Amino acid sequence: EVQLVESGGGLVQPGGSLRLSCAASGFTFSGYWMHWVRQAPGKGLVWVSRISGDARKTHYADSVKGRFTISRDNAKNTLYLQMNSLRGEDTAMYYCGRDHGGYNSIDYWGQGILVTVSS
Amino acid sequence: DVLVTQSPLSLPVTLGQPASISCRSSQSLAHSDGNTYLNWFQQRPGQSPRRLIYKVSDRDSGVPDRFSGSGSGTDFTLKISRVEAEDVGVYYCMQGTHWPWTFGQGTKVEIK
Repeated sequence: EVQLVESGGGLVQPGGSLRLSCAASGFTFSGYWMHWVRQAPGKGLVWVSRISGDARKTHYADSVKGRFTISRDNAKNTLYLQMNSLRGEDTAMYYCGRDHGGYNSIDYWGQGILVTVSS
Repeated sequence: DVLVTQSPLSLPVTLGQPASISCRSSQSLAHSDGNTYLNWFQQRPGQSPRRLIYKVSDRDSGVPDRFSGSGSGTDFTLKISRVEAEDVGVYYCMQGTHWPWTFGQGTKVEIK
């Protein structure tokens, strides 16, 4: 069974940093692109970032480019999102998701982790 | 970025009755590889999104056959043939043809 479990969220002040983790199990982690998608309170879904299975390729939404860094440790089956220079508008539930290879989609989602940026 | 627009944003439905959600994109979602990458996700209250449909009309394993997807180009539809209580939630379409992937605003389905 595919499982994705996020952790590392919490309350952080504007300008601060936070690192999210997503522990994956139930599939060959290194064989899949992985994504982060976020959802501000009461709002819709927004794609944030993705990383290739071998970690050589990464892509970011313009809103987080230069501030967020996606990475992965295939030996630990874990996906990361390092978030720096956080702003109030980064407040959201952050979901990790598995790419459905070849179908341009996300087939499995984690339960999400809340990040709150506030003084 | 490709703009994806859903309608209606709120959809009150009587149990057992059909429901239909529209999703329109600002550009054609026909990919150069011949496929059209339009997905539908369901988000029940307090839960993470769950994919229902991919590539316009392919239903995910375990998704009831009362859910169906259709459309082409810029115009797509999710239909629920007979709404059940467990279908309450917000439904999102997402285009995967153009980068960055973009979602519609969501349609809230509730029981009358």
